[in-house]
Amino acid sequence: SAVISQKPSRDICQRGTSLTIQCQVDSQVTMMFWYRQQPGQSLTLIATANQGSEATYESGFVIDKFPISRPNLTFSTLTVSNMSPEDSSIYLCSVEAGDTYEQYFGPGTRLTVT
Amino acid sequence: ILNVEQSPQSLHVQEGDSTNFTCSFPSSNFYALHWYRWETAKSPEALFVMTLNGDEKKKGRISATLNTKEGYSYLYIKGSQPEDSATYLCAFKRYGGATNKLIFGTGTLLAVQP
Repeated sequence: SAVISQKPSRDICQRGTSLTIQCQVDSQVTMMFWYRQQPGQSLTLIATANQGSEATYESGFVIDKFPISRPNLTFSTLTVSNMSPEDSSIYLCSVEAGDTYEQYFGPGTRLTVT
Repeated sequence: ILNVEQSPQSLHVQEGDSTNFTCSFPSSNFYALHWYRWETAKSPEALFVMTLNGDEKKKGRISATLNTKEGYSYLYIKGSQPEDSATYLCAFKRYGGATNKLIFGTGTLLAVQP
């Protein structure tokens, strides 16, 4: 299994500002994933972050809005840029265990944009 | 469009009741079906990963079955306890695509009254 921590756990931000969310894993992993859950919606994949390469974004998500860094095999950041109230969501990072198909999640960052 | 449907949306039961939820997913290109238990402010907890048609898995009072040909999975909780109160999520993974992407349903919110 993997133990994942995220910072901050929650934040209230003003529209037009940016927030960077940090994700730390207790073991080295190749791929890290960033998800969000808007109110009343499903958990949705934003992007996949591999160490040493550009993140791969899902349809509807762009790098200018959600830049991602992956400087090493245990850490990643997601920035939510130029925030609007529609960005109010829970943001979670996730990693996949090697050969067990299991995917583990952090506790999430609850973001409110006013 | 790949849709994962969960029913019911929410469920209120008494302590000691047994209950079950349904997850429906596309039956083509099936790879794996995940069940998670998510309590507020905590990490989603992996319950089961199911890969074979006819799979049945059990963890304490919780069990799950899988039918990949018709595209559904059931999650059962025997003798519900207040600590079982949480949102139960299923997620589908299919063959193909560039990422190990989980497609989530919106979840079933379970409340167990003492």
